[in-house]
Amino acid sequence: KAGVTQTPRYLIKTRGQQVTLSCSPISGHRSVSWYQQTPGQGLQFLFEYFSETQRNKGNFPGRFSGRQFSNSRSEMNVSTLELGDSALYLCASSLVALGGGELFFGEGSRLTVL
Amino acid sequence: AQKVTQAQTEISVVEKEDVTLDCVYETRDTTYYLFWYKQPPSGELVFLIRRNSFDEQNEISGRYSWNFQKSTSSFNFTITASQVVDSAVYFCALSPWGTNAGKSTFGDGTTLTVKP
Repeated sequence: KAGVTQTPRYLIKTRGQQVTLSCSPISGHRSVSWYQQTPGQGLQFLFEYFSETQRNKGNFPGRFSGRQFSNSRSEMNVSTLELGDSALYLCASSLVALGGGELFFGEGSRLTVL
Repeated sequence: AQKVTQAQTEISVVEKEDVTLDCVYETRDTTYYLFWYKQPPSGELVFLIRRNSFDEQNEISGRYSWNFQKSTSSFNFTITASQVVDSAVYFCALSPWGTNAGKSTFGDGTTLTVKP
């Protein structure tokens, strides 16, 4: 059974640019959530999509956005990149719709902003 | 608002020692789930254990055991007879029930180093 796949694994951008990250969840999982992981802030929740709808949103500025497609694949976009956006972005999928299901994480996309 | 606190930033033990990782949480929900995840040096977070708010029975699974106490809002995790392969960052997480279930709150993690 294929796990959660995230692309690209590594990327380097400069301030002001934008970036799009992709996540393919485990087959059958309709919930996809995104987290930002940094050494100083731990794992911070960005947003969660379920059946193509954003169901939950964390406390991030509007520069962070996402979407989910009908096949449950998800993308997140960060516009006008700032140095502080450098982080590991983790995608996770879950089978259970209303709770109790563990998260299956991808390996992450490591973004460096110069 | 939910909050998860892992007071231990780093723990270092010698192989075969038992080690307990502490987790304290805050939530106003009556139904919720608690999790422990492991992030080895390779980076990928892996699910370890889960507990729901109505089940305070403590369990043992192999070398892992957990102690859930609702009265103190704690969900501690113990590794018995630690091994070098247990070296990793361990995260405690809290997830509500319902349509907000996808919004998990993680602690800052505890870095466990097991020395041979």
